[in-house]
Amino acid sequence: QVQLVESGGGVVQPGTSLGLSCAASGFTFTKYDMHWVRQAPGKGLEWVAAVDYAGRTTYYVDSVKGRFTISRDNSKNTLYLQMNSLRAEDTSVYFCAKGSGNDWYDYFDSWGQGTLVTVSS
Amino acid sequence: EIVMTQSPATLSVSSGERVTLSCRASQSVSSNLAWYQQKPGQAPRLLIYDASTRATGIPARFSGSGSGTEFTLTISSLQSEDFAIYYCQQYNNWPPYTFGQGTKLEIK
Repeated sequence: QVQLVESGGGVVQPGTSLGLSCAASGFTFTKYDMHWVRQAPGKGLEWVAAVDYAGRTTYYVDSVKGRFTISRDNSKNTLYLQMNSLRAEDTSVYFCAKGSGNDWYDYFDSWGQGTLVTVSS
Repeated sequence: EIVMTQSPATLSVSSGERVTLSCRASQSVSSNLAWYQQKPGQAPRLLIYDASTRATGIPARFSGSGSGTEFTLTISSLQSEDFAIYYCQQYNNWPPYTFGQGTKLEIK
């Protein structure tokens, strides 16, 4: 079955960087768009970024544009999120989510367990 | 950006009751609407996609309806394991993909 396992979360200071990874298995990784979705403590879900199945096209929510970079390595079945210039408001659990297809009309049919990123001085 | 609005924010219900949750989009999203269930400390789980199609393994007591801007999720007979937060999400216009703020089902 589909497995998505995030890693890389932790406590960092404002203005610093952190990289997240998501190891995927149980499906043909190269056929699906992939996404990051976050959830601040006690809050709702917020979509953060997406990358197409080939790794050529990316999209971001406005609040992270220019600071976060989503990428994927299809040879390693791994999704990444590089987060720079982190702010307190980026504090969240970050979920890796599998898109339902490769045409951007994506709902999220599988999710990882999430990794907590805390930005605090 | 399409804004998704869910109502009510919290619903106090008893096991066995029929419940209906609402989700409204600020503009038409056709039938490109999904529902998720999230329990404390867990990742969201897909329940419904394309407004009315149950995801794999989802019990028949969950049903979705609607199109355009008005959508509902109905649980025909609430079970103890259904107490959770429910989110709707549109995938018709991106970026961004947007979620509602959630409806919490709590035990009366």
